[in-house]
Amino acid sequence: SQQGEEDPQALSIQEGENATMNCSYKTSINNLQWYRQNSGRGLVHLILIRSNEREKHSGRLRVTLDTSKKSSSLLITASRAADTASYFCATEQGAQKLVFGQGTRLTINP
Amino acid sequence: NAGVTQTPKFQVLKTGQSMTLQCAQDMNHEYMSWYRQDPGMGLRLIHYSVGAGITDQGEVPNGYNVSRSTTEDFPLRLLSAAPSQTSVYFCASRERGGGNEQFFGPGTRLTVL
Repeated sequence: SQQGEEDPQALSIQEGENATMNCSYKTSINNLQWYRQNSGRGLVHLILIRSNEREKHSGRLRVTLDTSKKSSSLLITASRAADTASYFCATEQGAQKLVFGQGTRLTINP
Repeated sequence: NAGVTQTPKFQVLKTGQSMTLQCAQDMNHEYMSWYRQDPGMGLRLIHYSVGAGITDQGEVPNGYNVSRSTTEDFPLRLLSAAPSQTSVYFCASRERGGGNEQFFGPGTRLTVL
């Protein structure tokens, strides 16, 4: 079974609004990563947060990690049409395996 | 620097046929992996390798074989294709060790009739 579960499965917002996606996982992790996938393309790395970090920023992205609740959130501020994509969390466990969740499909409406 | 390349981009097979999906990277990454992506299922790990000569199974290894004779190449073999293997296949690579970004290829869309 997959490690990460994203919530919601789909999200539709207006351009300029903030988008929040959540990820829950089951086992201890070394770090958690977020990736973006545009339709029909491969995944692109967005941000990594280590297990001893609680929050990380990169441009319009903010990621939080709560290891006690085994959850993470990705916030995209001031969304743009180009942010329309699927977003995946991935957890790195022992043996360096990177296990992905099912993804959140984000649609930004103009 | 081409990154991670995959061939072919599209492939149609008949049930029972065999084929090899090619993957190559030019970043000297030790860690490489294969995923399949099905609608609503996210990415599932098929096989991975932490270096030349070393491979291991992921979540869904049945029906697939891999080998890693060089650092650059990590081919995925379907021995006897089944309709359940219809999917999009992604190869990825990253530096060995924890906390490293994973780079993905563009994917191979496989249909098994």
